[in-house]
Amino acid sequence: DAKTTQPTSMDCAEGRAANLPCNHSTISGNEYVYWYRQIHSQGPQYIIHGLKNNETNEMASLIITEDRKSSTLILPHATLRDTAVYYCIVRIRFVIMNSGNTPLVFGKGTRLSVIA
Amino acid sequence: GAGVSQSPSNKVTEKGKDVELRCDPISGHTALYWYRQSLGQGLEFLIYFQGNSAPDKSGLPSDRFSAERTGGSVSTLTIQRTQQEDSAVYLCASRRDSANEKLFFGSGTQLSVL
Repeated sequence: DAKTTQPTSMDCAEGRAANLPCNHSTISGNEYVYWYRQIHSQGPQYIIHGLKNNETNEMASLIITEDRKSSTLILPHATLRDTAVYYCIVRIRFVIMNSGNTPLVFGKGTRLSVIA
Repeated sequence: GAGVSQSPSNKVTEKGKDVELRCDPISGHTALYWYRQSLGQGLEFLIYFQGNSAPDKSGLPSDRFSAERTGGSVSTLTIQRTQQEDSAVYLCASRRDSANEKLFFGSGTQLSVL
């Protein structure tokens, strides 16, 4: 899996947008970008994933640069409950035949603190 | 069930004892993963089960670690002759099938080896 680089920590004021960057300069053409988060004392939670087009769901938006070497996860209106470690992961899409044997590789992630 | 269930939530054991950790994946999910997370660290992959295929054991740190999945559902992770460095949170995750991208994680078992 391609290596990702994320800032160790970030702060965000409650109600503001939280923009979490991720660099993945060695990403290959068939690799997707996945985001998970881990709230204290819980297991990781899936947020969103994408290939090259921007994606949005009820939790967040994912903006991927045109060259796909970096991406940004956006939480549009951060709340205190969004305080967590956010992991950016790059790997081949699971639905590709026989790709499921390669597990998600989690790095250290970004510790986001939402401040009241 | 509604989510991935792990038991026990906490386990304290003495060095040298064996422990068994249990994972109940979401009903119908064919893929099951075990990870562990040491204090302040990222997740470390241990083992992966997919349907009736042979499991991917490439992440198991030593032969003291083993896992099985009975009937394609419940999984048990066994650690023999526990050592203090085995202390960590052991997380289980399941995924519905090859057409689905999302992993669903349990809350983990906090293992403390004294």
